[in-house]
Amino acid sequence: AQSVSQHNHHVILSEAASLELGCNYSYGGTVNLFWYVQYPGQHLQLLLKYFSGDPLVKGIKGFEAEFIKSKFSFNLRKPSVQWSDTAEYFCAVISSGGYNKLIFGAGTRLAVHP
Amino acid sequence: NAGVTQTPKFRVLKTGQSMTLLCAQDMNHEYMYWYRQDPGMGLRLIHYSVGEGTTAKGEVPDGYNVSRLKKQNFLLGLESAAPSQTSVYFCASSSRVEELFFGEGSRLTVL
Repeated sequence: AQSVSQHNHHVILSEAASLELGCNYSYGGTVNLFWYVQYPGQHLQLLLKYFSGDPLVKGIKGFEAEFIKSKFSFNLRKPSVQWSDTAEYFCAVISSGGYNKLIFGAGTRLAVHP
Repeated sequence: NAGVTQTPKFRVLKTGQSMTLLCAQDMNHEYMYWYRQDPGMGLRLIHYSVGEGTTAKGEVPDGYNVSRLKKQNFLLGLESAAPSQTSVYFCASSSRVEELFFGEGSRLTVL
């Protein structure tokens, strides 16, 4: 069965530090990949997505992710985090069964201290 | 434009009680989903629907039923609630080629 692994469950950073959150997926075929963010008490919002083309994807709020097919990875990065980036981040892949069904990783809680 | 709306936002049930969560979307999306979110487990798909009148099981369907009588609504039912169903439930919708849009969640506690 397909799966998504997020390596870090909790990350604590100071403002202006750089961020990289790891994500690996198990499916070897064509994949559509996403990063969603959930701010405290809110619903999930799309940060960025990869369907095809340039493997370096730019998202909202200065986030980017790089799709590396050979490593089955889709890591999320931001050069300089802000306190407002404190949230939980989820990596997801569309299931091979279609219908846009998403398989989520367990999530990474990011806390940014001023 | 409300997007995806879930009701109720909070509910407390006793073991064995039943309830229904309502999800409504105003984006004319074909696909709708119910997920549950539990700490350390991410979101897991309960049931989904690919069109009016259709439903299908997801990853964790046991103990839940769903119905999609109208394209814009997707109902999630618990016939006999159990403490293991204490969770935050998220509804989502999508068109065939877009990402999922999520509702604000419904927090359910089963005592």
